[in-house]
Amino acid sequence: AQSVTQLDSQVPVFEEAPVELRCNYSSSVSVYLFWYVQYPNQGLQLLLKYLSGSTLVKGINGFEAEFNKSQTSFHLRKPSVHISDTAEYFCVINAGGTSYGKLTFGQGTILTVHP
Amino acid sequence: IAGITQAPTSQILAAGRRMTLRCTQDMRHNAMYWYRQDLGLGLRLIHYSNTAGTTGKGEVPDGYSVSRANTDDFPLTLASAVPSQTSVYFCASSDSGQGSSGANVLTFGAGSRLTVL
Repeated sequence: AQSVTQLDSQVPVFEEAPVELRCNYSSSVSVYLFWYVQYPNQGLQLLLKYLSGSTLVKGINGFEAEFNKSQTSFHLRKPSVHISDTAEYFCVINAGGTSYGKLTFGQGTILTVHP
Repeated sequence: IAGITQAPTSQILAAGRRMTLRCTQDMRHNAMYWYRQDLGLGLRLIHYSNTAGTTGKGEVPDGYSVSRANTDDFPLTLASAVPSQTSVYFCASSDSGQGSSGANVLTFGAGSRLTVL
């Protein structure tokens, strides 16, 4: 079985401040990890993904995440946020290359960027 | 613009009524999925289809049915709606591609907000 825990349900920050959205996972096999973003009243879109190789993954809009196997974490970071980054962020796992799209989603973290 | 179209965008439905949420993709993706999104629970898979003509049950399939008569369309039907099915429903698709399917990225529709009274 696999599971994902996003440690913060809401993260408020001021514009231009750094941000980290935390994600821990549990799996007994190798994993693929994703971060998806959902802007208000829209569907989800891929922010970045870790499949293999370098543990530091860069995504769109200046976000990056680091895969830490020993700590089973995949935290999302951005050094300086903008108002437009206000959205809900989902950490997603697929363990062991199982069937298409049978992903496990975290509960979501709502990032609110204040001016 | 290539993507997924869902309809209706929003619907209020009386309990016991039948409802079909429509989903169409124009990317020729093999795999399609239906998720429901509920506050604090993230997204949960209802049903999926790896290719036209086949379907499978996800995490929360009870009360829902799907069909996949062709590549592009993947409707979700609630035979007799109940208030617990009030949710936002997302259709998604992915290209099966080659190699490990677990690496595939999903493309999502904009969602259908359903309220069952």
